[in-house]
Amino acid sequence: EDQVTQSPEALRLQEGESSSLNCSYTVSGLRGLFWYRQDPGKGPEFLFTLYSAGEEKEKERLKATLTKKESFLHITAPKPEDSATYLCAVQSYNNNDMRFGAGTRLTVKP
Amino acid sequence: EAGVAQSPRYKIIEKRQSVAFWCNPISGHATLYWYQQILGQGPKLLIQFQNNGVVDDSQLPKDRFSAERLKGVDSTLKIQPAKLEDSAVYLCASRRQGASDTGELFFGEGSRLTVL
Repeated sequence: EDQVTQSPEALRLQEGESSSLNCSYTVSGLRGLFWYRQDPGKGPEFLFTLYSAGEEKEKERLKATLTKKESFLHITAPKPEDSATYLCAVQSYNNNDMRFGAGTRLTVKP
Repeated sequence: EAGVAQSPRYKIIEKRQSVAFWCNPISGHATLYWYQQILGQGPKLLIQFQNNGVVDDSQLPKDRFSAERLKGVDSTLKIQPAKLEDSAVYLCASRRQGASDTGELFFGEGSRLTVL
């Protein structure tokens, strides 16, 4: 069964303090690994898709990387507006479902 | 493109009452999903439609939950009778089809249900 585990559950950073979020996964036939951002009271908002090990994607202060077992979301010099819950999800070729982790709740203090 | 529309945004009911949520996906998106997100957890799939057919409803509690997508466009999720543990946000998502499909899901803002 596909599984996604995210760590840490919660992360508090000072503005400008870089860090990484982890997403460990097991899936039979990875079609894609997805990162979403979710603000309170909102639906998840798409950030990145990674398809194969070694792939990297960047967007502003965020950079996502992928290995065969895990993905990292690196946040460089975060700002308070980066505070949100970051969700990782995997999609397999066996079905069209997207299996989500529980998320990492990021708080960036000014 | 216009986003996924959901209503109502908030609903409070007593246990054993019924409730219905509505979703209108992005125009042209054939695949529609309903997810349940309990506070502090990631979204969990309840049901997936391809056009108006059910692809996966293995995690839908069929004794109390039902969903339909009659014309292959908008969808309704119903809970009857509701239990306390059904308190959650119900998220609707849709997905592109064909050559433009990247696997990405587009989510609505969700319907927050509180069962008292």
